[in-house]
Order: sequence, then C-alpha cells, then structure tokens
Amino acid sequence: EAQVTQNPRYLITVTGKKLTVTCSQNMNHEYMSWYRQDPGLGLRQIYYSMNVEVTDKGDVPEGYKVSRKEKRNFPLILESPSPNQTSLYFCASSPPQGGYEQYFGPGTRLTVT
Amino acid sequence: TQLLEQSPQFLSIQEGENLTVYCNSSSVFSSLQWYRQEPGEGPVLLVTVVTGGEVKKLKRLTFQFGDARKDSSLHITAAQPGDTGLYLCAGWMTNSGYALNFGKGTSLLVTP
Repeated sequence: EAQVTQNPRYLITVTGKKLTVTCSQNMNHEYMSWYRQDPGLGLRQIYYSMNVEVTDKGDVPEGYKVSRKEKRNFPLILESPSPNQTSLYFCASSPPQGGYEQYFGPGTRLTVT
Repeated sequence: TQLLEQSPQFLSIQEGENLTVYCNSSSVFSSLQWYRQEPGEGPVLLVTVVTGGEVKKLKRLTFQFGDARKDSSLHITAAQPGDTGLYLCAGWMTNSGYALNFGKGTSLLVTP
C-alpha cells in the first residue's frame, strides 16, 4: 500500500530534550516536506526537500532541522524543543516539483512541557 | 507568511444548501490545490487547478481558478453531511524552489 508513515504518532516531552520525528514514504517520491498545523494558523511549511541532499526552508524553519540522506526518509529534528513547538506535525511527499498531489502522513501530535 | 486568505473561516449550513468558499491572494501561483481534512487525519487532495480561468468539477464540487492565478473558489451544490470537514486551499510558488503555501482553512459543518 502506497503510504507515508510517521513515528511517533504522539509524543510528550520536556523543554530542551532533543527529539526526532521520522517520516518514510514507499512511493519513490522525490519531493518531501514537513508542516505544522496550529489552531487559527492553519498548515505552515517547515522545510521541504526536492531530492536527496537537497533541502530548503519553508515558512517557519526556526528551531527545526531536517536531513535527506535517503530518498524514502525525511526526519524532522528538534534539537532543543520549546513549548511554542507544541503542535500537530505532518510529513508529506509527492512526485518531483510543484503542482503534484501531496500525500500526507497521519500526523504526529507533539506536546512540549 | 501566509499568502492565501480563506473565507469564511467557519460555515454551518443545513443539508441541501449551496455554499462557496473563497481563497484569495495578492500573489501569483503556478498552480493551486484544494484539500479536505477530516479530524485526526492528514489532508487529502480534491483538485489541482493550473490554468487561469480554469473550472473543474468533481461531482457536486466546482473549483475555479482566477484569470490572474491569484485566487480560487470552491462551490458545493446541495451540501450533504458527508461534506463536513476542513477545506484547505494551497498554492505552489515556484519563484524560489517549490514552496507550498496553505490558507488557514474553512471548517464546514453540514447538519441533516
């Protein structure tokens, strides 16, 4: 089954404790992206990647890191999480370039206390 | 910066009514997409519009892309309870890389 998987689905952590949210897709897509969704603010793009070793900042990259060492994986790293990073995070993938359908993962609900 | 403004933010209607959701911007987009999101799930694509003035129909849903490729609308005819959900417009910008910019969404509730 073609899908985007994210782990963990739920995470409660404390301020400053480094964490990684994994994202994997099995559709051989070049483009992958991370979004956060907050009430009243909608979906905002954090980082995106056009292909392996190619990443670029989205709208809200501060406090996040990403890497794209393999085509199928695109982990999101929070080196020192803060409470304002409490949010619902989505990973998505699509065929190359813009304009194609984004396939979204199921989401990761992160709470930073 | 969110470049797309959606209106209305919330909409509660009765089954059988028609409705229109608007997505406006001062920026030009290479293409614009509409997604629908159910609680606890990721957004799912409804349609992509690419050409200025383009109209696409998906059963009772009609999507239009503005002539200048800065705005779009979603019209639902004879809404049904199954149409309930969060509707999101998203524009692809290609001036630098391929960033996808989402509107804040329109939360639709259709009651029987």
